[in-house]
Amino acid sequence: EDQVTQSPEALRLQEGESSSLNCSYTVSGLRGLFWYRQDPGKGPEFLFTLYSAGEEKEKERLKATLTKKESFLHITAPKPEDSATYLCAVSVKAAGNKLTFGGGTRVLVKP
Amino acid sequence: EAGVTQFPSHSVIEKGQTVTLRCDPISGHDNLYWYRRVMGKEIKFLLHFVKESKQDESGMPNNRFLAERTGGTYSTLKVQPAELEDSGVYFCASSQPGRDYEQYFGPGTRLTVT
Repeated sequence: EDQVTQSPEALRLQEGESSSLNCSYTVSGLRGLFWYRQDPGKGPEFLFTLYSAGEEKEKERLKATLTKKESFLHITAPKPEDSATYLCAVSVKAAGNKLTFGGGTRVLVKP
Repeated sequence: EAGVTQFPSHSVIEKGQTVTLRCDPISGHDNLYWYRRVMGKEIKFLLHFVKESKQDESGMPNNRFLAERTGGTYSTLKVQPAELEDSGVYFCASSQPGRDYEQYFGPGTRLTVT
């Protein structure tokens, strides 16, 4: 069975304190790995898609990387507005378009 | 461009009652998905429409759930009769042809069954 595990479950950072979130996956035939941001009371907001090991994507203070077993979301010099839950999801070749999600990492950035 | 919209935002019903959730996808998005998150668990896939056809309904929990997408536009998800374990947040997402995997999510409907 395809599995996605995110760590840590929660992360408290001081403003400017860089850190990384981990998403490890066990799937049969990865088609793509996705990062989403979710704010309280809202739906997941699409951030990045990664398709192959070694690929990297950047957006403002966020950078996502992918290996054959895991993905990292690096947050550089975070600001309070980066506080959110970050979700990782995978699409598997034999499973159509459905996404399998991890449990998420709740990030709180304090000023 | 308007995003995915869902109605209602919150619904509270009693066990045994019926509830219908609605989703309006982004215009031009042929693919429409339903997901849900129950308390303390990760978001789980329910089903996938391509236009008006059900492409994958492998995540539907049981026959109390009925999803429709008449005319390939908006979709409804009916729960009848509702049980306590159906409580959670139901998300709808859509994606455009050629970029199927980039799914854009709506704000969700929070369903509480008492």
